Amino acid sequence: GQQLNQSPQSMFIQEGEDVSMNCTSSSIFNTWLWYKQEPGEGPVLLIALYKAGELTSNGRLTAQFGITRKDSFLNISASIPSDVGIYFCAGQLFPYDKVIFGPGTSLSVIP
Amino acid sequence: KAGVTQTPRYLIKTRGQQVTLSCSPISGHRSVSWYQQTPGQGLQFLFEYFSETQRNKGNFPGRFSGRQFSNSRSEMNVSTLELGDSALYLCASSHRTVANTGELFFGEGSRLTVL
Repeated sequence: GQQLNQSPQSMFIQEGEDVSMNCTSSSIFNTWLWYKQEPGEGPVLLIALYKAGELTSNGRLTAQFGITRKDSFLNISASIPSDVGIYFCAGQLFPYDKVIFGPGTSLSVIP
Repeated sequence: KAGVTQTPRYLIKTRGQQVTLSCSPISGHRSVSWYQQTPGQGLQFLFEYFSETQRNKGNFPGRFSGRQFSNSRSEMNVSTLELGDSALYLCASSHRTVANTGELFFGEGSRLTVL
């Protein structure tokens, strides 16, 4: 079945550093999404990508939809303490299909 | 506008019991999806309801069921609870238009502990 893998599993970085994480799949997706979850909260949508090769930014966050449709990347520039949380990638094969989530990348920012 | 509301936030049950969780979507959202979140398995898709009909289903046993009412509110039920059902159950609503069906708005979840 459809399954997503995320790397790294966890990251500890210094405040001000840039962060890169990625998500891969053995099957293609036509929509890639990135969500962030903070303790005690549900995931919140950060970025949605709808075209292969698309590069989209949301403030200090930039995400890319891989050309092969089997991967996506999320970069965070100049990290700050409030970036702490778990970042999930998610994929959807076609409109109205279920949204599948990766296992998440846990980000810790050291002030 | 108000976000997705899930009740109860916390509950404790014993093995063999059943549980019903409730979700009120964002006003105007007609799609409701349910996910089970555990430390080992991450976010696992349970099912999605739209216009009172189940549109998508994950790989969970029949003990897990759901329904949606005409006002788009949804409930999920787990019967004959097992220890492994302990998890955070998340509800998410969406507009469910062709352009953005993957854009989900999550509630804070219902944390179920099975003893």
